[in-house]
Amino acid sequence: QVELVQSGAEVKKPGASVKVSCKASGYSFTSHYMHWVRQAPGQGLEWMGIINPSGDSTNYAQKFQGRFTMTRDTSTSTLYMELSSLRPEDTAVYYCARELPKTLDYWGQGTLVTVSS
Amino acid sequence: DIVMTQTPLSLSVTPGQPASISCKSSQSLLHSDGKTYLSWYLQKPGQSPQLLIYEVSSRFSGVPDSFSGSGSGTDFTLKISRVEAEDVGVYYCTQGLHLPRTFGQGTKVEIK
Repeated sequence: QVELVQSGAEVKKPGASVKVSCKASGYSFTSHYMHWVRQAPGQGLEWMGIINPSGDSTNYAQKFQGRFTMTRDTSTSTLYMELSSLRPEDTAVYYCARELPKTLDYWGQGTLVTVSS
Repeated sequence: DIVMTQTPLSLSVTPGQPASISCKSSQSLLHSDGKTYLSWYLQKPGQSPQLLIYEVSSRFSGVPDSFSGSGSGTDFTLKISRVEAEDVGVYYCTQGLHLPRTFGQGTKVEIK
């Protein structure tokens, strides 16, 4: 069965960077695009970016351009996201999700990133 | 960016009664391949979103047939034929036509 297992919660200070991982299993990792979506406390879902199956092409939401990076390691079937220059408003649960295509069919369990001084 | 607008934002339903959520997009979600890329998700309390419906009306694996989707172009509807306690949570529509992917604000469904 398809499973996306994310790394654990993080607490960071403003200005720091955070890297979150998402390990995929139960399917061919190199056959699907992957996404990151975040959800601030009590808020809705916000799309952050997409990466192609081979990992050589990405597309990020405008608001994260310049401080957000998605990568993937096909040898370990792991997706990564790194967000730099963290601010308190980046406090959110970050989800990885698999592309069906044109929809997100499986989601990770979420990783809470807290940014606080 | 495509704007997705859901109504209502909250819904209180008696168990066994139907419920309906509307989602409107700021532009048509019809792709040149003939498919319309509108999906519905349910986020149960404390859980990740789960896919219910994709391509307007296709139920995802394991989704009960009490859930149905309809619509075309810019106007879409999710219907629950008989709401059960396990259906509570926040429902989101989303478009898969263009990047950035965008979501509706969410509709919170609770049981009376």
